[in-house]
Amino acid sequence: DGGITQSPKYLFRKEGQNVTLSCEQNLNHDAMYWYRQDPGQGLRLIYYSQIVNDFQKGDIAEGYSVSREKKESFPLTVTSAQKNPTAFYLCASNRLAGDPEQFFGPGTRLTVL
Amino acid sequence: DAKTTQPPSMDCAEGRAANLPCNHSTISGNEYVYWYRQIHSQGPQYIIHGLKNNETNEMASLIITEDRKSSTLILPHATLRDTAVYYCIVRVAVPGYSSASKIIFGSGTRLSIRP
Repeated sequence: DGGITQSPKYLFRKEGQNVTLSCEQNLNHDAMYWYRQDPGQGLRLIYYSQIVNDFQKGDIAEGYSVSREKKESFPLTVTSAQKNPTAFYLCASNRLAGDPEQFFGPGTRLTVL
Repeated sequence: DAKTTQPPSMDCAEGRAANLPCNHSTISGNEYVYWYRQIHSQGPQYIIHGLKNNETNEMASLIITEDRKSSTLILPHATLRDTAVYYCIVRVAVPGYSSASKIIFGSGTRLSIRP
């Protein structure tokens, strides 16, 4: 089945540690996105990538980093510089022009202790 | 800014039509209106989108006013499984990257379905 996978679903880390969240898609989509969601809030864009080896900052990129070495993978690293990293993280992707639908993964809930 | 305004919450009786309003008074001529929904602790799910004509699919109908400043998502026969947060979104084009767009999410409308 085609889709987007994120793992793990729940992740716990100690304060001051970097942590990398994985996002993999087998939909052959070129564009991928990372969002953050806090309780009772909408989604906010962290980073997005149009093609391999290229990515752009979203609205809240500070304290995060990404890479796009492969078309199907777009990992997000939450660094120790992110002041409030505990949140629900969602990865999404979509195809090129003509397909406006954005597909979302199931999300990773990160808790920093 | 999300560019859309939605009521924070609504409720609807099971089996009835749920009508969710959205205001997008600053929408540009080439921007689409999208609707997504998010069931608790899951990723958002695409529902429908439109530019200026009314649209219908197996999940819902989208009614866009003639001036395009507002729209209504209609779930024709709401069930308990439709309980979710519904997001109305205006698609923003990324300069230089016409093939993909940022999606700016607001707070959405929390829809509760009464048995």
